[in-house]
Amino acid sequence: GENVEQHPSTLSVQEGDSAVIKCTYSDSASNYFPWYKQELGKRPQLIIDIRSNVGEKKDQRIAVTLNKTAKHFSLHITETQPEDSAVYFCAASKGYSTLTFGKGTMLLVSP
Amino acid sequence: DTAVSQTPKYLVTQMGNDKSIKCEQNLGHDTMYWYKQDSKKFLKIMFSYNNKELIINETVPNRFSPKSPDKAHLNLHINSLELGDSAVYFCASSNSLSEAFFGQGTRLTVV
Repeated sequence: GENVEQHPSTLSVQEGDSAVIKCTYSDSASNYFPWYKQELGKRPQLIIDIRSNVGEKKDQRIAVTLNKTAKHFSLHITETQPEDSAVYFCAASKGYSTLTFGKGTMLLVSP
Repeated sequence: DTAVSQTPKYLVTQMGNDKSIKCEQNLGHDTMYWYKQDSKKFLKIMFSYNNKELIINETVPNRFSPKSPDKAHLNLHINSLELGDSAVYFCASSNSLSEAFFGQGTRLTVV
């Protein structure tokens, strides 16, 4: 089955800095890669996703890149703000298969 | 209207008891899931149902049994609860290669 590795497990940055979270996946047939943000005590919510037919996608301060050859994808957050502090999960799936999540990255943005 | 709703939000019970968590989605999605989130925040898939058929059953104890009366509902029944079952359980739903929507979570505490 699919295996998703996520790094780092914790990331501390100063407000205004950029943050990068990286994930690798094992199943070359996976073709859907979402990123979820989970605030303390809340449910995970999608912030951005990418499908295997594109290499990069951007939404305001958030961008995701995908390298299918290397089987890795990354989340980039620019101009971080304290409200970006949360746990971020990457995931991978194919077709109707279940989303397999990485172990999460706790992002702390200090004012 | 809440897209994915699960009840109860909190559940405190004694070891050995049997309990159920209910989940309903009004998004018309074909697939529903149960995830377990432990104290380390890792989201681990337990079950996945596609059009009322079980398509994944990860290696969870058979004390856990999912029940899907129709494709809008996926309930989780747990027999003989153990201390190690304490966690947050999330229900989610999705269609193929699209965003998974999560319920609010049920925090189960076994004492």
